[in-house]
Amino acid sequence: GIQVEQSPPDLILQEGANSTLRCNFSDSVNNLQWFHQNPWGQLINLFYIPSGTKQNGRLSATTVATERYSLLYISSSQTTDSGVYFCAVARETSGSRLTFGEGTQLTVNP
Amino acid sequence: EADIYQTPRYLVIGTGKKITLECSQTMGHDKMYWYQQDPGMELHLIHYSYGVNSTEKGDLSSESTVSRIRTEHFPLTLESARPSHTSQYLCASTLQGSETQYFGPGTRLLVL
Repeated sequence: GIQVEQSPPDLILQEGANSTLRCNFSDSVNNLQWFHQNPWGQLINLFYIPSGTKQNGRLSATTVATERYSLLYISSSQTTDSGVYFCAVARETSGSRLTFGEGTQLTVNP
Repeated sequence: EADIYQTPRYLVIGTGKKITLECSQTMGHDKMYWYQQDPGMELHLIHYSYGVNSTEKGDLSSESTVSRIRTEHFPLTLESARPSHTSQYLCASTLQGSETQYFGPGTRLLVL
């Protein structure tokens, strides 16, 4: 199956700092999504971004499908950004069945 | 924002008991999914459904079963719970023609 690797596995920031999270995948995909899982376990969809660049407030994401990676940028981080960020992908033949990476655990300290 | 509900949120149960985890969505989404997530780990797809009377097993083998009799309802059943079933179970849904998955709050299951 498709492999999804996220880096770094852990990241500790001071409030106000910027960060970049990376997602590498082993095969062509037509579906890539970024999620944030808060400390209570709830997953929130941040972006559906199989290619190109999107921005939503302090968050933005870029996917370079031809090079099989995606980046999630967090600017001016806040303590509420803490949690686990997951990248998930699916190939065209997989329909909507997502394969998740292991996530990046982000801790933002006040 | 999506409206997808899971009950119970927490469940502690003894070995051998039959349990059903409920998942409902009010958005008319045709695709629904069940994921299993151990603490600190990634999510694994265990079941999915693309519509009423359609269910398929996911990438991770699971002893649970699912049914999809109504569009809005996708329950998961364990006939005989075991400690190895202890995990978090997350339900998600997607609207046909869209790929964005929306998740419920999850059920944390502890089997003693």
